[in-house]
Amino acid sequence: NAGVTQTPKFQVLKTGQSMTLQCAQDMNHEYMSWYRQDPGMGLRLIHYSVGAGITDQGEVPNGYNVSRSTTEDFPLRLLSAAPSQTSVYFCASSTAYGYTFGSGTRLTVV
Amino acid sequence: AQSVTQLDSQVPVFEEAPVELRCNYSSSVSVYLFWYVQYPNQGLQLLLKYLSGSTLVESINGFEAEFNKSQTSFHLRKPSVHISDTAEYFCAVTNSGGSNYKLTFGKGTLLTVNP
Repeated sequence: NAGVTQTPKFQVLKTGQSMTLQCAQDMNHEYMSWYRQDPGMGLRLIHYSVGAGITDQGEVPNGYNVSRSTTEDFPLRLLSAAPSQTSVYFCASSTAYGYTFGSGTRLTVV
Repeated sequence: AQSVTQLDSQVPVFEEAPVELRCNYSSSVSVYLFWYVQYPNQGLQLLLKYLSGSTLVESINGFEAEFNKSQTSFHLRKPSVHISDTAEYFCAVTNSGGSNYKLTFGKGTLLTVNP
C-alpha cells in the first residue's frame, strides 16, 4: 500500500545539468500532478495529467517537461537546471475527492 | 480561475489556547475545500475536507473547519492547541465538477505553539 512514491528524496545539481524526478502511484488514479514548494509561496502547480498520454501546463511550467506513458508513472524532467529551480518538489495523485502526495524531493541547484 | 487567500502567514499561540487560521477563496464554480498540514521536514497530509453536506467538518485530532459559502471562507479552528500542532497549514480549493482536479493552494500559515 505504497500510495505515491517519489525518488530521489534529495538531489544536488550543477547549473545546466538535466535530471528526472520519478513519481509512481499504485492507486490507479487518472489525475497526477507536480508541484513545487518555495518559502512564502505555498505550492505552485508545474504540470498535470488527466490520464495516460495527456499532459498540460500548470502555473509555473517553464524549464520542466513531463510525459505520461502509463497510468502509474509521471516523471518530471528538468531540461537545464538553474538556481531558480532550487525547491522542494511534490508529486500528487488524486481523485475529485482528495489528493495523495509523495514525500517530496529536495532539489538544490548550485 | 480560482484563488485562495490565507490571511495570516504566521500565527504564534500558547499551548492550550484556542486558534483560528483564516482562509478565503475565490471561484466562479462550486468547489471542494481542503486543509493540509505539513510538519517540519515532512510532506503534506490531509487534515480535513469539505465536499458536500454539513458545512462543519472535523478532523481526528480536534481541528474543525466551517464552509461559509456567502463569505467564501473555510476557516480552521481548534479550541485548545498542543505543542505537537506546530506545523504549516495550507488551505486548498478545487472544482467540484468535471475531470480536471486542479488543486489551488494558499501560501500557507505557520502555526507555532509555545509552552
